[in-house]
Amino acid sequence: AQKVTQAQTEISVVEKEDVTLDCVYETRDTTYYLFWYKQPPSGELVFLIRRNSFDEQNEISGRYSWNFQKSTRSFNFTITASQVVDSAVYFCALSDSLRNSGNTPLVFGKGTRLSVIA
Amino acid sequence: AAGVIQSPRHLIKEKRETATLKCYPIPRHDTVYWYQQGPGQDPQFLISFYEKMQSDKGSIPDRFSAQQFSDYHSELNMSSLELGDSALYFCASSFSSRVSNSPLHFGNGTRLTVT
Repeated sequence: AQKVTQAQTEISVVEKEDVTLDCVYETRDTTYYLFWYKQPPSGELVFLIRRNSFDEQNEISGRYSWNFQKSTRSFNFTITASQVVDSAVYFCALSDSLRNSGNTPLVFGKGTRLSVIA
Repeated sequence: AAGVIQSPRHLIKEKRETATLKCYPIPRHDTVYWYQQGPGQDPQFLISFYEKMQSDKGSIPDRFSAQQFSDYHSELNMSSLELGDSALYFCASSFSSRVSNSPLHFGNGTRLTVT
C-alpha cells in the first residue's frame, strides 16, 4: 500500500530563513514517482517537481531544492532565503508504477502549512 | 500554455440537489482525474479516466458519477447532495506514453458549498 507522511503540520519562519519540508513515503513498487505541489491561499494546486525512483540526483531550481534519499524513503524540499510569497500549503505525493493506461492516481500527504513572516 | 479548465469556479447548492462539474483537460492529455479536498484536508482521489474509459476508482460515493466524453472533457455529476460534500473539487490531466507519463496538472478547482 502506498503512503505519504508529512510529519510537519505547520512551520513558521521569518523571511530570508531557509526551511526544509520533510516527506517520507511507503510503496511496494520499485518504479514510482514522487511529486511536490504548492497550494497558495488562492487554492490552486501548482506542480513543482516530479522525480522518478531511478533518479536519485538532487535537484535545484532557483531557491528550491529537493533531496531524494531512496535508502530512507525520503523526498525533502528545501526553500532557501524564504519569502512571504512562499507562504502556502505544500503537498508531497506519490504515484506508483508505470503503465500504458495512464498514470496511477496520486496519493497525497497531509500537507505542511508554511507561513513566512516578514 | 493551456491549462486544465474547470467550471464553474464556485457553486452553491442546497441539500438533496444535484450538481455537475466540468473539466477540460490540457490538449493531447489522455487521462483525467477527479479529486475532492475538504477544508484543511489533503486531496482525495475520486475517479479517473484514460482514453474515455474509467481507469481507477477511489473513494467516490455512489451518489456521484463521472464520464469522459469524445472530446476528452469530463463531467462529475453529484446527486442528493449532503452538507459533507462541501469541498474543493479538482480536476487534473496528464499524458501517457510507453516511456514516461507526464505529471498531473491540476485545474483551479470548483468550490462547492452545500447549504
